Amino acid sequence: SAVISQKPSRDICQRGTSLTIQCQVDSQVTMMFWYRQQPGQSLTLIATANQGSEATYESGFVIDKFPISRPNLTFSTLTVSNMSPEDSSIYLCSAGSGRASHNEQFFGPGTRLTVL
Amino acid sequence: EDKVVQSPLSLVVHEGDTVTLNCSYEVTNFRSLLWYKQEKKAPTFLFMLTSSGIEKKSGRLSSILDKKELFSILNITATQTGDSAVYLCAVEARDGAGSYQLTFGKGTKLSVIP
Repeated sequence: SAVISQKPSRDICQRGTSLTIQCQVDSQVTMMFWYRQQPGQSLTLIATANQGSEATYESGFVIDKFPISRPNLTFSTLTVSNMSPEDSSIYLCSAGSGRASHNEQFFGPGTRLTVL
Repeated sequence: EDKVVQSPLSLVVHEGDTVTLNCSYEVTNFRSLLWYKQEKKAPTFLFMLTSSGIEKKSGRLSSILDKKELFSILNITATQTGDSAVYLCAVEARDGAGSYQLTFGKGTKLSVIP
């Protein structure tokens, strides 16, 4: 199994600012993902963080709003840009243990973001 | 578009009761179905199911998959207050680009009353 940490665990931000969330895995993993969970909703995949190349974004999410970095096999960042109250959510990083699948996908503790 | 539907959306039971949570799905290129327990922020993995009819068990929890009828159930026997959580069902399927994605259901919120 993989142990995943995220920073910050929570933050309260002003409208129009940006926040970068860090995700650190204790072992090298092939797949890393970023999810959003808005209040009362289930998890929605934002993007797959690809090591050494641009992230793959899901429908409804764009790089300008959610730039992602993945400089190596254990670390990734997600930035929420030009925030609005609608971005208030829990953001979760996850890592897949399988080479090309999610077999047992492990989640970080999440970052609770509140935008005023 | 892949779809995962869980029922009921919420459930309140008394300690000692047995509960059954349901998950139905419509996906192309199915690979596996996963159950998670979410108490605060991060979901924790419970089971992964790939074959029909084979029950997975872990203590008081068990789960089974029916790939013909496209559903899975999660059973919890002799419930305890510590079982109170949101239970998420997710289906792993191959997307158009050839990689695998998880699609989550909305979850079942279980509340166990002493």
